[in-house]
Amino acid sequence: DGGITQSPKYLFRKEGQNVTLSCEQNLNHDAMYWYRQDPGQGLRLIYYSQIVNDFQKGDIAEGYSVSREKKESFPLTVTSAQKNPTAFYLCASSTTARGGYTFGSGTRLTVV
Amino acid sequence: KQEVTQIPAALSVPEGENLVLNCSFTDSAIYNLQWFRQDPGKGLTSLLLIQSSQREQTSGRLNASLDKSSGRSTLYIAASQPGDSATYLCAADTGANSKLTFGKGITLSVRP
Repeated sequence: DGGITQSPKYLFRKEGQNVTLSCEQNLNHDAMYWYRQDPGQGLRLIYYSQIVNDFQKGDIAEGYSVSREKKESFPLTVTSAQKNPTAFYLCASSTTARGGYTFGSGTRLTVV
Repeated sequence: KQEVTQIPAALSVPEGENLVLNCSFTDSAIYNLQWFRQDPGKGLTSLLLIQSSQREQTSGRLNASLDKSSGRSTLYIAASQPGDSATYLCAADTGANSKLTFGKGITLSVRP
């Protein structure tokens, strides 16, 4: 079945450490997105990509980086510059024909 | 800038009740509106997608309507069940790049 796979499900980061969250899709979608979800704040867009080798900043890109070397993959790196990284991270994909979003199951990142 | 509002933030109903969840948006120039369900600690599951040219969509006990002129969408759940307990989010696709703007969600509890 087609879908989006996020890994790991849980991730722990030490102070000053960079960590990378994986997102893979086999839906043949062109566009991919990273959202951050915090209690009471809803979903906020971090980065998005509409085509391979191109991506744009969302509303809260500071302290994060992404790459889009393959259509199927859109990894997110949470850098040490992100001062409050503890959150639930969701990856999504869509067609550029505005056919709606499909989400992954999320990664919960905790700073220890 | 598009803003999406969902009120109330939480709702508790007895099993078997028919209920309506509301979603309002400020910019009526939307391409589509999507309803999602989120269980605790999980990703978002798409329930219904309404294109701007449509007035409603149905799936089983769920019916979603869209009124662009008034900036409103409703999700109707017939004969609610305890398994319907979850957070329901609506999201509007507005403007370029297919970015979604999310409401903060309505947490529904259906009491047996």
